[in-house]
Amino acid sequence: EMQLVESGGGLVQPGGSLRISCAASGLTVRDNNINWVRQAPGKGLEWVSILHSGTADVTGYSDSVRGRFTISRDTSKNTVYLQMNSLRPDDTGVYYCARRIIFSGMDVWGQGTTVTVSS
Amino acid sequence: IQMTQSPSTLSASVGDRVTITCRASQSITNWLAWYQQKPGKAPKLLISKASILESGVPSRFSGSGSGTEFTLAITSLQPDDFATYHCQQYNSYPWMFGQGTKVEIK
Repeated sequence: EMQLVESGGGLVQPGGSLRISCAASGLTVRDNNINWVRQAPGKGLEWVSILHSGTADVTGYSDSVRGRFTISRDTSKNTVYLQMNSLRPDDTGVYYCARRIIFSGMDVWGQGTTVTVSS
Repeated sequence: IQMTQSPSTLSASVGDRVTITCRASQSITNWLAWYQQKPGKAPKLLISKASILESGVPSRFSGSGSGTEFTLAITSLQPDDFATYHCQQYNSYPWMFGQGTKVEIK
């Protein structure tokens, strides 16, 4: 069974940093496109970032996080990370990782990890 | 590319047929997905490429459309279908979601 499990969320002050993780089982992060999607409290979904499959580490970011967030992976741990710097209160929300296969939407999701940016 | 869903809330009864519309600000051909989300849970993929039902999704769900206008239809609404539905374009980055449609019990 394919599974993604997020961890690392928590409370952080504005301007601070946090790294959240997405551990995969039943699939390899090297061979799959892994995304981060977030949801602010009571709001809709917002796509944040993607790390494409393969060895070239091709990435993409939304305008709201480009330059502040960095997506990466550790194939030995089968885990994708999202390093979040210069955090702002509007970065608060539940962060999901999700797998997308070619020509399809995102078909495997984790349960989410909550990030709260507040003083 | 901006995605606009309507309505934002929909009140319906078990057995009703409901439709949700998603409009793109420019053509996305058929690169559109629909998701169902229940409170406190991750989204679930229902439909890809505008009309292709994911494995295990009941046939009362259907998707249609191309270009800029898309529809999700649910025939004979069941108790398990009361949830929030999101559309998402994956034609070009940054991928964008609609604001969501909450289907609630009338």
